[in-house]
Amino acid sequence: QVQLVESGGGVVQPGRSLRLSCAAYGFTLSSYGMHWVRQAPGKGLDWVAVTSYDGSNKYYADSVKGRFSISRDNSKNTVYLQMNSLRAEDTAVYYCAKEGYDGSGSYPDHWGQGTLVTVSS
Amino acid sequence: DIQMTQSPSSLSASIGDRVTITCRASQGISNYLAWFQQKPGKAPKSLIYAASSLQSGVPSKFSGSGSGTDFTLTISSLQPEDFATYYCQQYNSYPWTFGQGTKVEIK
Repeated sequence: QVQLVESGGGVVQPGRSLRLSCAAYGFTLSSYGMHWVRQAPGKGLDWVAVTSYDGSNKYYADSVKGRFSISRDNSKNTVYLQMNSLRAEDTAVYYCAKEGYDGSGSYPDHWGQGTLVTVSS
Repeated sequence: DIQMTQSPSSLSASIGDRVTITCRASQGISNYLAWFQQKPGKAPKSLIYAASSLQSGVPSKFSGSGSGTDFTLTISSLQPEDFATYYCQQYNSYPWTFGQGTKVEIK
């Protein structure tokens, strides 16, 4: 069955960088768009970025544009989130999510367990 | 950006109760609306997509309705495993946006 496993989280100082990975199992990654969604401690869900199935199209939330970069390596069944110039407000659990299709649009149908990123000096 | 507003923010209910959560979009989103359940320390779980379609494996006590700007999630008979936080999400356009969540607690 579909499984998404995030890794790469940890404690990092403000201004530093971190790269998250999302390993995909149980489906053909190259057929699906993939997203990163984050959740600050005790808060709601906040969409971060998306990459199309082949990596040709990418969109970002305004709050991370210019600092974060989403990419994918379909040959390794892995999606990445490169996070630069990290800020305290980037502290959150980061989830990767697979797109499902409803016939005309796509929505997040499977989620990983998340990886915690803490930005603190 | 499309703003999603859920009501109520929290509710207390008893086992067997029928529960309804409302989600309103700041502009029309057709039926590009999903619902998720999240338990403490766990990832969100997809319940409903396209406003009213049940995700595979989700029990039929969950149902969704609505189109345009107003949507509802109904749990027909609340069970202990249903106590959680529920989120709506629009996927009509980027950036995807979520409601602030509705926490369903035991009365």
